[in-house]
Formats: sequence, C-alpha cells, structure tokens
Amino acid sequence: GAVVSQHPSRVICKSGTSVKIECRSLDFQATTMFWYRQFPKQSLMLMATSNEGSKATYEQGVEKDKFLINHASLTLSTLTVTSAHPEDSSFYICSASDPGASNQPQHFGDGTRLSIL
Amino acid sequence: GQNIDQPTEMTATEGAIVQINCTYQTSGFNGLFWYQQHAGEAPTFLSYNVLDGLEEKGRFSSFLSRSKGYSYLLLKELQMKDSASYLCAAPLSGGYNKLIFGAGTRLAVHP
Repeated sequence: GAVVSQHPSRVICKSGTSVKIECRSLDFQATTMFWYRQFPKQSLMLMATSNEGSKATYEQGVEKDKFLINHASLTLSTLTVTSAHPEDSSFYICSASDPGASNQPQHFGDGTRLSIL
Repeated sequence: GQNIDQPTEMTATEGAIVQINCTYQTSGFNGLFWYQQHAGEAPTFLSYNVLDGLEEKGRFSSFLSRSKGYSYLLLKELQMKDSASYLCAAPLSGGYNKLIFGAGTRLAVHP
C-alpha cells in the first residue's frame, strides 16, 4: 500500500487563487520531505526540501514567497502555491523516505495536477 | 557539477529485451536509483544499486559500474504495460536522500 499520501490529486482554479497541497507519510515519521514539479514530458525538478520544525530549503530559482512550505509535524508537509497563475500549472509531487535506514528509496505521493485558468 | 544523462526516447517490441543506459557525474557516490513513471502518475521505485554488478529482480535488472559512472536498466519479456518513462536518479551530496533525476527515457512498447 501507499506509504506517502498526497492530497488533492487534482485542482482546477482561477488565476490569483492560493492552493494548498498536503503530503503525509503514513508508515513512518519523516523529518525531511521533498517537493518536486514536473512539466509535461520533462523530468522531476526538485523545488525544495521540507524540514520538520525549521525553514524549508529552496532550490535555486524557486521563489520562497510564491511556494510556501510548512512542515509542522513529523508526518505532514504542506506546499501552498500563493496567488497562482497559469504558468504555475504543473504536476506537483512530494516524496519522503524512512530516516531509519540510510539510502532508502524515496517514496512518492500520487502527485497533484494543478491547472490554473 | 552533478549531471545525469539518459536517452530521451526508445522503442521496442512486445516480448523483446531493452536496455536503458544512464551515465552520471556526482560529487561523491551514494548509489543509483531507477524509477518507473507512467504518464500522469508519480514515479515508483524499481531498483537501487550501490555496488558494482547486476541486480536482478524479476523481469527487471539493473547494472552499475562505479568506475565508469554508468548504469543500465534491463527489461526482459517486454509487455505493453512497460510503456512508461524510466528515470535514473542519484542522491546529491550532503545526505537527506535528496535526489537528482535524469530527464527520463520514454519507452514505447509496440505489439
């Protein structure tokens, strides 16, 4: 069964709306989670590292004020796309791995397809 | 710098064998992952290699040569459902299992 749950799976909304995406680890506590974005026919691009109890670490070129990340508990990270515009339309995916063992595979959520009209 | 290269697209026939290559350049080495991703879905884990050699798992096998910075994914007895993107990924230096992905190889399996 799924070890990482992501919700919602699909969002369609008007330009200017803020959208919150949740990522939960189901079978383990994840001190670190990762958020990726994927445009059609392209690979996953890491946006940021979500750290439980501290600020997220953003990759170069990703606007921290645009993509707000909160990791308030050991099983939940949220990504909020603020004032979304059509160019933010993409497939957003979170991942986490069990910190109990090193180099364990990242488990991905099912992804959220965001469409901004 | 850190970089992962793999072919963009491949085609193969149902029942055949296909090999998807991946070359990587990373700061340090913490293993190499292969993921499968069907269109519109999240990636699913296929294999992880940290030592040289071939790891076999059913119809899928993965090979690693650390000295050459090279890996391949071997798919046998291809089925139509194997049509997907195959992503080669390596952990970035600094731990935390933060992955850098290759661009992915889109495999199309034809009857």
